[in-house]
Amino acid sequence: DVKVTQSSRYLVKRTGEKVFLECVQDMDHENMFWYRQDPGLGLRLIYFSYDVKMKEKGDIPEGYSVSREKKERFSLILESASTNQTSMYLCASRTVKETQYFGPGTRLLVL
Amino acid sequence: QKEVEQDPGPLSVPEGAIVSLNCTYSNSAFQYFMWYRQYSRKGPELLMYTYSSGNKEDGRFTAQVDKSSKYISLFIRDSQPSDSATYLCAMSLDNYGQNFVFGPGTRLSVLP
Repeated sequence: DVKVTQSSRYLVKRTGEKVFLECVQDMDHENMFWYRQDPGLGLRLIYFSYDVKMKEKGDIPEGYSVSREKKERFSLILESASTNQTSMYLCASRTVKETQYFGPGTRLLVL
Repeated sequence: QKEVEQDPGPLSVPEGAIVSLNCTYSNSAFQYFMWYRQYSRKGPELLMYTYSSGNKEDGRFTAQVDKSSKYISLFIRDSQPSDSATYLCAMSLDNYGQNFVFGPGTRLSVLP
């Protein structure tokens, strides 16, 4: 079974804080993704990575950065958290010719 | 027009009913179609993954793709309260890249 884990299920941060969300997959997948999910808007791609140290912007990268130093780990960084970044953050991974597998999600509240 | 449209629901049905969930899309280049189930406060889990037009069955679930109409469906037979969740459709242009597009999801409640 594919396993994608995320470092926190719930997180509360203050405006202006730097926030790290971490994702780990155990299936040696090449591609990893970060999405945010908001009611009525569905899943929106923030960043993805197709290899170690490689990253590509998704649809809504503003205010976020990512890091992929090891194949199994993909981190999402909110440089200076703002209230409009309150959301559910979902990490996913995939390998070629397969679909995406998601982690359990992190609910982030920025006060 | 959004790239993928999905009725948000909520859809409430009695236990044992047949459920039909639908998505329409605008980009005829989509080749791969997926359905995910997402329980409250959890990540989406893959239910069905299909390529091209036709039907695919897995237990109580049947995925149907009509590329000529740009319409996909998920049927759930003998629905159970445990099927209560949000169902997301997703589609992609190819099997190699990152071009996944998700629908906003339909919330389903199966009442005992």
